[in-house]
Amino acid sequence: QSVLTQPPSASGAPGQRVTISCTGSSSNIGAVYDVHWYQQLPGAAPKLLIYASTNRPSGVPDRFSGSKSGTSASLAITGLRAEDEADYYCQSYDSSLSGWVFGGGTKLTVL
Amino acid sequence: QVQLQESGPGLVKPSETLSLTCIVSGGSIRSDHWNWIRQPPGKGLEWVGHIYYRGTAKYNPSLKSRVSISVDASKNQFSLSLSSVTAADTAVYYCARCGDSCYKYGMDVWGQGTTVTVSS
Repeated sequence: QSVLTQPPSASGAPGQRVTISCTGSSSNIGAVYDVHWYQQLPGAAPKLLIYASTNRPSGVPDRFSGSKSGTSASLAITGLRAEDEADYYCQSYDSSLSGWVFGGGTKLTVL
Repeated sequence: QVQLQESGPGLVKPSETLSLTCIVSGGSIRSDHWNWIRQPPGKGLEWVGHIYYRGTAKYNPSLKSRVSISVDASKNQFSLSLSSVTAADTAVYYCARCGDSCYKYGMDVWGQGTTVTVSS
């Protein structure tokens, strides 16, 4: 029931590439609002991974990248590592709700 | 660098008011933008509300009638108040900072979170 829709789960073997999608609408991603991505390791607070759809904060490896097109955005992780196993959330602003919204989260499993 | 620390009671009775504080260190509450986010057990993140020192607060429409966020600049902290709580308000509550713009830069600093349980 989240305003932003993410697949509940994703998986990949070490070294592989995995992508996580985030689908919104014309009142959020499809408008001018940027998408941000967060990584939440087990038992920890979320950490900003990608901001403004495509930018990495200092210290985030370039294995993580983001893109946005139309009403959707994606997070790509290359060279998958065991420590990437976490929950990933997208976030944007929704003009209909006049507030920030999160996707439901995607649990990434490294096989 | 900016650090955030949530504090408040871990147990609140149904129908009472939940009150949490986020202490800001390493930076000024007068700059940047400040948020509360919560995460029910085993569930995803939910934005609760946002405040800017010089502006009005924004709240999640689903909570708007019960929530209030305020800033105490003298103590460099901001607070959350959620009234008439029920078991559905049981969650880990996080405070988080946006930089110059939540729209543009996302929430780049988070507190460790504090668990609040609503139970009699």
